[in-house]
Amino acid sequence: AQSVTQLGSHVSVSEGALVLLRCNYSSSVPPYLFWYVQYPNQGLQLLLKYTSAATLVKGINGFEAEFKKSETSFHLTKPSAHMSDAAEYFCAVSDLGSGNTPLVFGKGTRLSVIA
Amino acid sequence: DSGVTQTPKHLITATGQRVTLRCSPRSGDLSVYWYQQSLDQGLQFLIQYYNGEERAKGNILERFSAQQFPDLHSELNLSSLELGDSALYFCASSVGASGGAKAGYEQYFGPGTRLTVT
Repeated sequence: AQSVTQLGSHVSVSEGALVLLRCNYSSSVPPYLFWYVQYPNQGLQLLLKYTSAATLVKGINGFEAEFKKSETSFHLTKPSAHMSDAAEYFCAVSDLGSGNTPLVFGKGTRLSVIA
Repeated sequence: DSGVTQTPKHLITATGQRVTLRCSPRSGDLSVYWYQQSLDQGLQFLIQYYNGEERAKGNILERFSAQQFPDLHSELNLSSLELGDSALYFCASSVGASGGAKAGYEQYFGPGTRLTVT
């Protein structure tokens, strides 16, 4: 069964600094990987997805993630943090190769941005 | 706005009661998923419906049930409620049920229903 590990339940960065949120996955088949963001009292919004087309994936709001099969990682980055990036971020995996589409989520990483 | 709607937004009820949560997927989406988000369990998949039929089941309790109607909206029924059922319940929708990116797989989430059991 697939699983996702997000390292660090809370990450704090200064405004303008690099954002790096870590995600490692475990899957028996080539995975489909996703990053979602959740703002307070809201639902989840899709930031980006990896579906084997390209290893470097660009998403919304300046975020991108790189799929590294050798490291089973899909870390999320943003060159310069903005105050509006403060939110909870979830990495998720699905092994569509088996035709199983429900998402398995990591426990989430709360990003704080300090002025 | 994801295009997925959920009602009600908040629900407060007592232990032992039964509630129904409603979800309307994005226009054209055939798949509906239900997820539960709680502090101790995180985000967990409950159940999926595709075009009216149950497609996949996750960690859904026997006290919980769901269905998808011909107009594709879905309802999640929670009965014999316990304190531990207090959580955020999300509905998500996608175009397809399986396949690659062309199937429009990405899931779009509604704003959620916050259930409080007292």
